[in-house]
Amino acid sequence: DAKTTQPNSMESNEEEPVHLPCNHSTISGTDYIHWYRQLPSQGPEYVIHGLTSNVNNRMASLAIAEDRKSSTLILHRATLRDAAVYYCILRDSLENFNKFYFGSGTKLNVKP
Amino acid sequence: NAGVTQTPKFRVLKTGQSMTLLCAQDMNHEYMYWYRQDPGMGLRLIHYSVGEGTTAKGEVPDGYNVSRLKKQNFLLGLESAAPSQTSVYFCASSYQILPFYEQYFGPGTRLTVT
Repeated sequence: DAKTTQPNSMESNEEEPVHLPCNHSTISGTDYIHWYRQLPSQGPEYVIHGLTSNVNNRMASLAIAEDRKSSTLILHRATLRDAAVYYCILRDSLENFNKFYFGSGTKLNVKP
Repeated sequence: NAGVTQTPKFRVLKTGQSMTLLCAQDMNHEYMYWYRQDPGMGLRLIHYSVGEGTTAKGEVPDGYNVSRLKKQNFLLGLESAAPSQTSVYFCASSYQILPFYEQYFGPGTRLTVT
């Protein structure tokens, strides 16, 4: 199963951009890249997903390397509410498509 | 629209006792999932269901059973609780599987087995 590698923790200042990296060197051509986040004492929530092209939505942007071996979640202006654990997850669209493998994620601290 | 709800929120069991965790969703989702999360770790899939009357094993199914008698409900059972099952349990649901589906998670059930 394709695995992801993320830094254990990162810190950001409020209202500054945050770039959360994820390495997935064993990604296959059919793996989608998903990002979820988990606020303290809550269940995870969907942030964004992508396959090959960069993606934007109201919460964040996802930049995917040309070789797809890494990706970066971008929060354009961090707020205190963005302090959470961010999970980068690969999901195969062809096999094991109903299994989400969460790693330990990156804990983002946002300083006022 | 309540989304995904879980009952109970907290529970303490003694070793060997049994219990059932209830997950309910009002979004008419086909797929439902049970995860566990141990301290400082990510979520691990226990069991999942792709529709009413179906269940399948996930990554860590041992010691758990599930049932999906109604589309909106997914039950997780512990027949004989063990301290190793102390964890936070999350239920999730999603529309039918597509490569880019989104899972909606409940608030979690914190279970302690003494």
